[in-house]
Amino acid sequence: QKEVEQDPGPLSVPEGAIVSLNCTYSNSAFQYFMWYRQYSRKGPELLMYTYSSGNKEDGRFTAQVDKSSKYISLFIRDSQPSDSATYLCAMSKTQGGSEKLVFGKGTKLTVNP
Amino acid sequence: EPEVTQTPSHQVTQMGQEVILRCVPISNHLYFYWYRQILGQKVEFLVSFYNNEISEKSEIFDDQFSVERPDGSNFTLKIRSTKLEDSAMYFCASSDPDEQYFGPGTRLTVT
Repeated sequence: QKEVEQDPGPLSVPEGAIVSLNCTYSNSAFQYFMWYRQYSRKGPELLMYTYSSGNKEDGRFTAQVDKSSKYISLFIRDSQPSDSATYLCAMSKTQGGSEKLVFGKGTKLTVNP
Repeated sequence: EPEVTQTPSHQVTQMGQEVILRCVPISNHLYFYWYRQILGQKVEFLVSFYNNEISEKSEIFDDQFSVERPDGSNFTLKIRSTKLEDSAMYFCASSDPDEQYFGPGTRLTVT
């Protein structure tokens, strides 16, 4: 079983839709969870950083962590064409300080005007 | 807004040649990383670096690879004797120490 699994999509939605992106993981040692956005041929851009189980909101983005199910989600409300990108989940075992990130493969999202 | 920068954006090299990929991390960050992404694959960790020494390296990071912080601003990844399978996007990242911020990447093409 892969450490981090993420449905690669592609996912295509109309503008204004609510988007749900998900990752599962197998290693219970993962404690810190991130979502990155990656535009084509660009570097990953940090969107959300969470630790505890529950929800964290930032504008139109909500990150949700369920450690008991080893499942994390990113919700995008009122999606915009500019949200079209690949979304990567990432996780680590400890907080910061040279800790490596383990990434999912990414979900490619297209928001159609 | 401070950002991680990388040069060159694209490097083409012949198999067996040495390449040096350069990064300028965010100025007050102390932790530095290299990751790579082969086309269509996951972003993979290569190495982390702190206090002028390697903190952790993956099994990918073999003797062919080395990292250096030659001065107070640059962080480099050297690949000796490149192989075809080294073709990938190479991303530098730095952290403060928790959140890792990535550069735009260097696309390495080995022919």
